[in-house]
Amino acid sequence: EAGVVQSPRYKIIEKKQPVAFWCNPISGHNTLYWYRQNLGQGPELLIRYENEEAVDDSQLPKDRFSAERLKGVDSTLKIQPAELGDSAVYLCASSLGGRTDTQYFGPGTRLTVL
Amino acid sequence: AQSVTQLDSQVPVFEEAPVELRCNYSSSVSVYLFWYVQYPNQGLQLLLKYLSGSTLVKGINGFEAEFNKSQTSFHLRKPSVHISDTAEYFCAVSENKAGGTSYGKLTFGQGTILTVHP
Repeated sequence: EAGVVQSPRYKIIEKKQPVAFWCNPISGHNTLYWYRQNLGQGPELLIRYENEEAVDDSQLPKDRFSAERLKGVDSTLKIQPAELGDSAVYLCASSLGGRTDTQYFGPGTRLTVL
Repeated sequence: AQSVTQLDSQVPVFEEAPVELRCNYSSSVSVYLFWYVQYPNQGLQLLLKYLSGSTLVKGINGFEAEFNKSQTSFHLRKPSVHISDTAEYFCAVSENKAGGTSYGKLTFGQGTILTVHP
């Protein structure tokens, strides 16, 4: 069974440019998460989806970040415009659902903003 | 709100030696506890989790952890490490509380880099 797929794996952009990350969760997983991992830190949740609904986006900087999960499967996270401080690894995870369910993580997208 | 503190940022050990990676947490409600491992350029992989029941939890690759409620700790141990255990390890918690927007939300520690030397 395929794991969580993310693309691109690496992205280098200049500040003020837009950027988008794509995530394909494990088949049948209703819950999808986006995390940001700064260098030397643990991941921090940005947004959680239950099917198509964003049920927790309290940590998403809404002035420049947006996310969508059309049809309750794939998801896209966008930053516009990017700032230097957005340099980080963006991780996508999925789970079947339920608060005890294991979250399976993708390999992440490493973003560098110059 | 909950928080996680991993007491050691780096732990160097020799192959076949025992190791303990320390994790303390803070929360106003009951929690579930997790240990994840992250190999270079890979996503996080679950090692083990504590939900309820026995406080000693066994995971993959020979790792185990013990939940200590009075000390709010969840330390990870392995009796004999291998070179292949070299990775970064993350302790995480989530609230054991039905409903609410924090349902299923993992709060991670800062990570401990385990380096196993030959």
